[in-house]
Amino acid sequence: ETGVTQTPRHLVMGMTNKKSLKCEQHLGHNAMYWYKQSAKKPLELMFVYSLEERVENNSVPSRFSPECPNSSHLFLHLHTLQPEDSALYLCASSQDPSDEQFFGPGTRLTVL
Amino acid sequence: AQSVTQPDIHITVSEGASLELRCNYSYGATPYLFWYVQSPGQGLQLLLKYFSGDTLVQGIKGFEAEFKRSQSSFNLRKPSVHWSDAAEYFCAVGLPYSSASKIIFGSGTRLSIRP
Repeated sequence: ETGVTQTPRHLVMGMTNKKSLKCEQHLGHNAMYWYKQSAKKPLELMFVYSLEERVENNSVPSRFSPECPNSSHLFLHLHTLQPEDSALYLCASSQDPSDEQFFGPGTRLTVL
Repeated sequence: AQSVTQPDIHITVSEGASLELRCNYSYGATPYLFWYVQSPGQGLQLLLKYFSGDTLVQGIKGFEAEFKRSQSSFNLRKPSVHWSDAAEYFCAVGLPYSSASKIIFGSGTRLSIRP
């Protein structure tokens, strides 16, 4: 595998479910990100991890819980989501937080 | 506050015509500048970037962009578009001297190609 991978690519879940999104980067980068992309809205930065430490949390509801166990892996744990959380969730990585970011293909999440 | 503006939400051009997508930023110093492209249902792919040096930057897929400090702009151009260029384009700035060191994305410009 090369670049940034995300699994699953598609996810449908009920509001009472618990699920996790996984991101893995094979680029040796030090920073990883979660973005939310909704229709007709700008890209929303959710979380930033640098050297496995969370450095930014943009007022994201607690029903989204990130985890960065090492510099190559990033998870987004989901529980009791709302229908308005349906979106494309993108993971990215970069060598430095102000450097170019490499994106994964995204997870298309639908909350019923 | 730092910001990135893409004033055109949607642009339609004919195949073979030239293209210019606009991007303006607000930042106290010269930022790092990027253009990304996103095809439907996919992640973002870097087209080109500017860190320093020559203000005309060449990218992939025949795209180029010019940094104009006096206008705080970094417009993306292509001399002749192809139907496969239809996608969403995002301008972004990196803030290397900011305490909130990160990339800020514009709201995107959707490009449609007329046959």
